[in-house]
Order: sequence, then C-alpha cells, then structure tokens
Amino acid sequence: DAKTTQPPSMDCAEGRAANLPCNHSTISGNEYVYWYRQIHSQGPQYIIHGLKNNETNEMASLIITEDRKSSTLILPHATLRDTAVYYCIVRADFGGATNKLIFGTGTLLAVQP
Amino acid sequence: EPEVTQTPSHQVTQMGQEVILRCVPISNHLYFYWYRQILGQKVEFLVSFYNNEISEKSEIFDDQFSVERPDGSNFTLKIRSTKLEDSAMYFCASCTSSTDTQYFGPGTRLTVL
Repeated sequence: DAKTTQPPSMDCAEGRAANLPCNHSTISGNEYVYWYRQIHSQGPQYIIHGLKNNETNEMASLIITEDRKSSTLILPHATLRDTAVYYCIVRADFGGATNKLIFGTGTLLAVQP
Repeated sequence: EPEVTQTPSHQVTQMGQEVILRCVPISNHLYFYWYRQILGQKVEFLVSFYNNEISEKSEIFDDQFSVERPDGSNFTLKIRSTKLEDSAMYFCASCTSSTDTQYFGPGTRLTVL
C-alpha cells in the first residue's frame, strides 16, 4: 500500500499558485519524497523529489516539513495544462532497496479558467 | 530531451492470444520497469529488470508474463495468453541506477476482447 495520504481532489484558479499537500507520517530516514503527475491516462510525468531540504525546479517547488512527516508541492502559476492527477510517493533511495514506485490514488487538480 | 517510447500506442487482441508490448528506454539507462493501470484504478508495479534479469516482480506478474531485452535498445513485455482482465494501460519506465528517478513512457493501451 502507498505510504502517503493526499486529498482526492482540489481546485485552483488559473494563474494562481496550486498547493498540493501530502502526508507521509511513517516516512523513514532514507526515504525520499517524489512527485509525479498523470495527465489524462498518459504516462506518469516526473515533477520533483527531495529528502529533507526544500527543492525547486522549472516545474515546481517542494516544501518538506522539518519532521518530514508531510510535504507540499507548489505550482507557482497554474495553467489549464496543469490539470492532472498528482501523486506523492515515498521511496528509499539506496542500493539494494526495492526501487519500485507505489502509487496511491493521488490528488486530481482541476485548474479553473 | 531523451524520452522513453512505447509501441504500439493501442493494441487490440482476442482473448487467448499472445501480445508483445515494446519499449525503447532512454539510451544510457540500465534499469527497466513495467507498470500497468486498469481503467479508473491505480498505477501498479509489475516487474523490474536489470542486467538481463528480473530484479523484482509483483503478484500480478505470473507465469503468463515475461520480459526480455532482446537487443541493446528494446525492452519487451509478453503476455502469453491474454485474458479480459489484462485490458489496461501498460507503462514502461527506465532509470540510470536503482536510486535514480524513473522516467515513464506514454503507455500502450491493451484491449482484450
């Protein structure tokens, strides 16, 4: 089973920031937080990942709480093309660990015009 | 930017027939995966493959399934005798190492009649 909990759906106005929360209260010290999204049954698209520091790339920012039990994915200026299911996944990143991704049901983000 | 590609995009087959789904991973990647997503359900891990061997497989990946890397570029998933319940989107993913980010292909929609 997925080790994360996400709200099933969220709305966001176009041009505004979308803040998608994720709870991972049982995360281990060697587990990273990964975010992917899936647009209408296309292949999951990698967005960003992090261990404990906040991360930013051209797509999004990832804010991880100090206790690492939750995180927030931020899309700074949401567009209609950002409408998708967003998955928060925890995964151990050391050699020998199982590296399969375990997907939950994610959050359906609907960006409204 | 390098991408994972998959062919065909849509495969229709009769129950009991064999199908082969093809993937071309990103060229310098060494770890390969198959996932599937039944319509309306979660993305599920099937199998991981490294160094010409299966690293891990799920309960779904029974004797009817097999994977192969027949040459330096292709990675295939074979279903020997398809069942109605094999109808799903099948996604291939690849990464450079077991601790690296997995990148997904666009998927093959398999319809078993």
